[in-house]
Amino acid sequence: QQQVKQSPQSLIVQKGGIPIINCAYENTAFDYFPWYQQFPGKGPALLIAIRPDVSEKKEGRFTISFNKSAKQFSLHIMDSQPGDSATYFCAASKRRSGSRLTFGEGTQLTVNP
Amino acid sequence: EPEVTQTPSHQVTQMGQEVILRCVPISNHLYFYWYRQILGQKVEFLVSFYNNEISEKSEIFDDQFSVERPDGSNFTLKIRSTKLEDSAMYFCASSEQGADQPQHFGDGTRLSIL
Repeated sequence: QQQVKQSPQSLIVQKGGIPIINCAYENTAFDYFPWYQQFPGKGPALLIAIRPDVSEKKEGRFTISFNKSAKQFSLHIMDSQPGDSATYFCAASKRRSGSRLTFGEGTQLTVNP
Repeated sequence: EPEVTQTPSHQVTQMGQEVILRCVPISNHLYFYWYRQILGQKVEFLVSFYNNEISEKSEIFDDQFSVERPDGSNFTLKIRSTKLEDSAMYFCASSEQGADQPQHFGDGTRLSIL
């Protein structure tokens, strides 16, 4: 009930490609869905987040698509760059102060030059 | 930009020993968290802390674990009697009050239990 499932586990694209990372959740009480980016040796850093009252949110080259009925959301990275190579985690929580984040398993993205 | 700082970056401890991991959250943040990430696995929630008390804890956070805000700036995680399976990266995070306030993570402490 609390799980967030993420796929794929790893992804390799060429520079300029559009990697897509997918997540699915079970708990309908979740209403806040952030994506975190993590570089080796660093903590997760918030990339972009969405609430279920919108179907898409774009910030720069990063776009979240959200499908409430399917309980799925995805991250698209436009015009990917080698500097985007990192591990990406989706997460879900309840939209209230201090709520725990439930993370997906992570996707290791490699963008080749 | 203000950041969450964690010390030490790497802690090596013998099994059965007590360990304290330290964090300095962002100064105006009111909510504090500990997460852990076992090598190759997902980031898992341990505990959240607000107004000097635990607000939520996971099933992982058993009696061996405790948290404390000993002064106005530090937030600590203590593991009383470490086990081999406590080896992981431990992340501290903090956030402001508010429904959409993001959690900001430190760079973690790698805990190795021998």
